[in-house]
Amino acid sequence: ETGVTQSPTHLIKTRGQQVTLRCSSQSGHNTVSWYQQALGQGPQFIFQYYREEENGRGNFPPRFSGLQFPNYSSELNVNALELDDSALYLCASSPERGGYTDTQYFGPGTRLTVL
Amino acid sequence: EDQVTQSPEALRLQEGESSSLNCSYTVSGLRGLFWYRQDPGKGPEFLFTLYSAGEEKEKERLKATLTKKESFLHITAPKPEDSATYLCAVQAFTGGGNKLTFGTGTQLKVEL
Repeated sequence: ETGVTQSPTHLIKTRGQQVTLRCSSQSGHNTVSWYQQALGQGPQFIFQYYREEENGRGNFPPRFSGLQFPNYSSELNVNALELDDSALYLCASSPERGGYTDTQYFGPGTRLTVL
Repeated sequence: EDQVTQSPEALRLQEGESSSLNCSYTVSGLRGLFWYRQDPGKGPEFLFTLYSAGEEKEKERLKATLTKKESFLHITAPKPEDSATYLCAVQAFTGGGNKLTFGTGTQLKVEL
């Protein structure tokens, strides 16, 4: 069983640019969640996708958007980057159990720096 | 709004010195409480899920317990390799896409 992978590991962008982060979930996990983790803080929920549909969203503006594909891969897109977007972006996949998502397994993260 | 508070923020132990980390929570209908370990610059690594008050789970030197208001992560005879940030998170039954709400973590350092 393969784990969750993310690419790239590090990324540097300038303010106003757009970025796409990628995630490959564990096989058989039909739910993917994205989190933003600022330095010294716990991860903050951005949104979740279940079977290619958005299934919940945290307090993030619409310039944060996502996609989930049938092959267990997903993307996080951020438009009009701001300095405060600098953070570790985490993807987590989970299987479904009893109608709810079960334990979320995290990838290694993408470190985004906005200059 | 779901809230998680972890204490202490940082903890320094000598090798073999047992201690406990605290996670206090308020949630509208707890579906599960999760403990993760996170090494610097890496993603959180899953440790335990607890579903109901009174439940306990163990793994090597770690033991997690749950009450209706808080959870404890007990570390028995820690080793330097246990040094990491330990994160607690809750998941509620009500909406939000089954999101996890995290605390800010306890940074543990175990010294020889």
